[in-house]
Amino acid sequence: AQSVTQLGSHVSVSEGALVLLRCNYSSSVPPYLFWYVQYPNQGLQLLLKYTSAATLVKGINGFEAEFKKSETSFHLTKPSAHMSDAAEYFCAVSESGNTGKLIFGQGTTLQVKP
Amino acid sequence: DGGITQSPKYLFRKEGQNVTLSCEQNLNHDAMYWYRQDPGQGLRLIYYSQIVNDFQKGDIAEGYSVSREKKESFPLTVTSAQKNPTAFYLCASTSWGGNTEAFFGQGTRLTVV
Repeated sequence: AQSVTQLGSHVSVSEGALVLLRCNYSSSVPPYLFWYVQYPNQGLQLLLKYTSAATLVKGINGFEAEFKKSETSFHLTKPSAHMSDAAEYFCAVSESGNTGKLIFGQGTTLQVKP
Repeated sequence: DGGITQSPKYLFRKEGQNVTLSCEQNLNHDAMYWYRQDPGQGLRLIYYSQIVNDFQKGDIAEGYSVSREKKESFPLTVTSAQKNPTAFYLCASTSWGGNTEAFFGQGTRLTVV
C-alpha cells in the first residue's frame, strides 16, 4: 500500500533562512507526488508536482522539491523564508490506478520568526 | 474564473441531525472527492466519484452519503450515524488521470452542538 510520511509536525525558521520540509513516500509503482499549502481555514493550494518529467521540480512562491528515488524522498525547500510562508504544508502521493485519489501525509506546520 | 465552491463555510449540527454540505465545480472535471481533515491527521478520503451517477467509498465512508446526479455537483450528507462529525471538510476535483493535480474548495467547518 502506498503511504506518505512527513518528518516533523512543526518546523520553525527565521525569516530569510532556508526552509526544508521532509517527505518520504512508499510506493510499488512510479509515484506522482504533490506538495500543497494550506492557510488557516482555507482549502489546499498546489505548490508543485512531480510526474516523472524532471527530478527537480520548481513550484510557486520560490519553492522547489527534488525527487530522489533511491531515498524515496520528495523534500520541499525554499532558499529564503518569508513571513507569508507561515502555513501548513502537505505532501501527497496519487494512488495508483488513475483514480486521482490522494494519500496525504500528516502535514507540517511552518512557523516563520521575524 | 473556474473553481470549486463549497457552502456553507461554517455549519452547526445538533445531535441526531443529518446535514448536507454542498460542493459545486465549474472546471469541467470528471472526478470529485470529499476529504475530512482533523488536526494532526492530514486528510482522509470519505467518498469519490469519477463519473456521473457513480461513486465509491473511501477510507472513512461510514456515517456519510453522497450523490452525483450532475457533473458539476457532489453533495455530502453527514448522517446521524457519524458519531464524531466535528471536522473540516474539503471537496476536490480532478480531470482524468492520476498525474493531474486536485483543485480544492475553501472547506466547510462542521461543529456538533
